[in-house]
Amino acid sequence: SQQGEEDPQALSIQEGENATMNCSYKTSINNLQWYRQNSGRGLVHLILIRSNEREKHSGRLRVTLDTSKKSSSLLITASRAADTASYFCASISSGSARQLTFGSGTQLTVLP
Amino acid sequence: GAGVSQSPSNKVTEKGKDVELRCDPISGHTALYWYRQSLGQGLEFLIYFQGNSAPDKSGLPSDRFSAERTGGSVSTLTIQRTQQEDSAVYLCASSSSIDNQPQHFGDGTRLSIL
Repeated sequence: SQQGEEDPQALSIQEGENATMNCSYKTSINNLQWYRQNSGRGLVHLILIRSNEREKHSGRLRVTLDTSKKSSSLLITASRAADTASYFCASISSGSARQLTFGSGTQLTVLP
Repeated sequence: GAGVSQSPSNKVTEKGKDVELRCDPISGHTALYWYRQSLGQGLEFLIYFQGNSAPDKSGLPSDRFSAERTGGSVSTLTIQRTQQEDSAVYLCASSSSIDNQPQHFGDGTRLSIL
């Protein structure tokens, strides 16, 4: 079963604009990860943020984590048409669990 | 190889047949995971291997599903007596055993049960 929800479910923006996706989860976590999936392909790892971190950057990506609200956000700045994909958050629960629990995903469309 | 490799990429079979899906993880990755992605259920965890042992099989949906891993490398996921609800994309991932490391995914096997 899925850990939580992502919103929006779908987002359509113009090239050059910023895209923000939000994710909520239900249990205490060790870390939270964001993945991208292009149609018909596997998941590509984007960024991992640990439970003791609040913000992380990687190129045009910025991830925040608020453990008190059990939420995370992914910001993609200066979007490109090639950023069109589905984006998923996934968390590793605290304790001995090793598997990812995924959110429901956001379908991002960047219009040229 | 450079990444996680899964085969076949597509499999179409008749209801009631057995199917075997293969995953070749990134060399040196001791942890291996199977997930399933379907329209109704999203991305679901199936089973996790550490080396050749499976400490967590909690996601396997029924006793028709089994998996094994040999030599700490290749893993096979077997579905016996397939049902239409087994139709999905089956994704394999691998990672190192060090904490807080990402999982790297293959492109998946798209399974269609007629």
